[in-house]
Amino acid sequence: EAQVTQNPRYLITVTGKKLTVTCSQNMNHEYMSWYRQDPGLGLRQIYYSMNVEVTDKGDVPEGYKVSRKEKRNFPLILESPSPNQTSLYFCASSTSWGRGPSYEQYFGPGTRLTVT
Amino acid sequence: GNSVTQMEGPVTLSEEAFPTINCTYTATGYPSLFWYVQYPGEGLQLLLKATKADDKGSNKGFEATYRKETTSFHLEKGSVQVSDSAVYFCALRGAQKLVFGQGTRLTINP
Repeated sequence: EAQVTQNPRYLITVTGKKLTVTCSQNMNHEYMSWYRQDPGLGLRQIYYSMNVEVTDKGDVPEGYKVSRKEKRNFPLILESPSPNQTSLYFCASSTSWGRGPSYEQYFGPGTRLTVT
Repeated sequence: GNSVTQMEGPVTLSEEAFPTINCTYTATGYPSLFWYVQYPGEGLQLLLKATKADDKGSNKGFEATYRKETTSFHLEKGSVQVSDSAVYFCALRGAQKLVFGQGTRLTINP
């Protein structure tokens, strides 16, 4: 089954304790992206990756890191989480993001993070 | 820059009502437009899309028409059911990302 998986689905942590949210897709997609969802703000992009070893900042990258060592995985790293990073996080992937047909983005189930 | 504005929610209706969820956008050129749906406890699913002006996207009884004159992409359905209760997001295809509206929660009561 084609899917994007995220782990963990729920996480409660404390300020400053490093954490990683994993994202994996089994569709051989080149493009992957992280978004955070906050009430009244919709989804905002944190980082994206056009392919292996190619990553770039989105609209709200402060406090986050990513890596893309393999095509299928795109982990999101919070090296020193703070309460303002409490949010619902979504990973997404699609075939590519170039000109041409508008490829569908597939979203993971989400990770609800609470930082106290 | 690109932006998407959706009608304020939440919207609460009875079954068999005829909802319209408004969406307007600001963009350079004519980007592809999307509606995504988020059912309780789940991720986002693509509901429908339109890739050029005057295109109509449709799926699961929902429809939306790409109107460049009014820069709008309103979501409509002829008759809703309780199972349509969800958060609906309008989005446009920007550079290297989707640009989302704030989402509209639709609740359908039996």
